Amino acid sequence: EVQLVESGGDSVQPGRSLRLSCTASGFIFHDYAMHWVRQAPGKGLEWVAGVSWASSTMMYADSVKGRFAVSRDNDKNSLYLHMESLRPDDTAFYYCVKGQHDFGDLYFGDWGQGTLVTVSS
Amino acid sequence: NFVLTQPRSVSGSPGKTVTISCTRSRGSIASNSVQWYQQRPGSAPISVIYDDDRRPSGVPDRFSGSIDTSSNSASLTISGLRTEDEADFYCQSFDATEVVFGGGTKLTVL
Repeated sequence: EVQLVESGGDSVQPGRSLRLSCTASGFIFHDYAMHWVRQAPGKGLEWVAGVSWASSTMMYADSVKGRFAVSRDNDKNSLYLHMESLRPDDTAFYYCVKGQHDFGDLYFGDWGQGTLVTVSS
Repeated sequence: NFVLTQPRSVSGSPGKTVTISCTRSRGSIASNSVQWYQQRPGSAPISVIYDDDRRPSGVPDRFSGSIDTSSNSASLTISGLRTEDEADFYCQSFDATEVVFGGGTKLTVL
């Protein structure tokens, strides 16, 4: 059974940084691209970033480009999202999401339960 | 950049059939696959259709997907509606530089 467990969500002030983590199990982690998708409370889904299985390709939504960095450690079956210069509109549940083997097949299989990031003064 | 437009809400009675549309604003709907995700209140999304019309294992065949190039749209059809189908549904597609979700459709089973 695929399990994706996010951690690191917190309440922070605008301009601060935060790092989210996701620990994966139940599948061969290094065979799949991984992504972060977020959802502001009561709003729709927004793709944030993705990384290929070998970390050779990273892609970002325009809304986070230059502020967020996605990375992975295949030895630890872990995915990360380093967030800088956080803004109130970054407030959301952040989901860790399993992609496809081919990074260009940009669609998603299993989702984690999400971790909440709140940005407020 | 492109936008995927969904109706805000649809409704249907138990046992009936509903269809949710998803219209792509620019570029062909056939150029990249369309996916559909179901999100019940308080839960993470789950995939119900991928690659336009394929169902993940475990998703009942009451759920079906299609695309229509003449209207540049995709559709999710749910037949034999059940109360547990009540949820938000999101379509999703992509191009070379971005992943796009539709705004979501709230399905109410009356």
